[in-house]
Amino acid sequence: GAGVSQSPSNKVTEKGKDVELRCDPISGHTALYWYRQSLGQGLEFLIYFQGNSAPDKSGLPSDRFSAERTGGSVSTLTIQRTQQEDSAVYLCASSQDRGVSPLHFGNGTRLTVT
Amino acid sequence: QKEVEQDPGPLSVPEGAIVSLNCTYSNSAFQYFMWYRQYSRKGPELLMYTYSSGNKEDGRFTAQVDKSSKYISLFIRDSQPSDSATYLCAMSGGSGGYQKVTFGIGTKLQVIP
Repeated sequence: GAGVSQSPSNKVTEKGKDVELRCDPISGHTALYWYRQSLGQGLEFLIYFQGNSAPDKSGLPSDRFSAERTGGSVSTLTIQRTQQEDSAVYLCASSQDRGVSPLHFGNGTRLTVT
Repeated sequence: QKEVEQDPGPLSVPEGAIVSLNCTYSNSAFQYFMWYRQYSRKGPELLMYTYSSGNKEDGRFTAQVDKSSKYISLFIRDSQPSDSATYLCAMSGGSGGYQKVTFGIGTKLQVIP
C-alpha cells in the first residue's frame, strides 16, 4: 500500500514568510509524528498526535510553530515568520497504536529559508 | 548532554567487512531499542527492533542491547555497497512512553567496493 506522503518535497521561502507543510499518513495509522532533521543535529522531535487525544507539543521550538491534524488523518505543520535557522528537513511519520509499532517515515520536506 | 549519543562518523569500510555501530544513552527508563537506516534524501526506515537487553539477529544484521552499560550496538556482517547509508539508533519507554522515540544523530557508513 501507499506509504507516508509529504508535500512539497522542497520549499524555498524568504525570511519572514509563513510556510505550510503537509503530511498524509498511512491509512489506518492512528499516531502521527513530526520531526526536524538538521545537519549535525539528528532527528529532533516536534509534535505527536495520537487519535483524539491532545497532541504532545513538547518539542515545538517556539510559538511560531504549530500543527494540526484534521479528521485523524492529514496533518499540516505551519511555521510562521520563518527564520534562517528553520532551514532543515521536516519529516513526518505515522504508526499503528498497537503495542510498540515502528515509525513509518515519509521522505520529508526540505525547507530552505533565504 | 544528549539523552542518546552516537558518533556521526563518517565510517568507511571495504566490502565484506564487519561493521560495528554503537550508541550510548543516559535514560535508564528506555526499554525499546531500534535501528533505522536512512538513504540520502529519503526518510529513515526501520531495520531492527529489540526490547530490553539481549541480542537479535536478522540476516546479516545483529542488534545488541546492554542495559547495564546503557550501550547498544548494530553489527553488519559481509557489508555490501548497498549498505552505504546513515544508521540511526532510536529508543523509547519510561515516562516518555513507548511512542515518544528519541533518536541518535546517526552514523554515516560508506562501504567501498
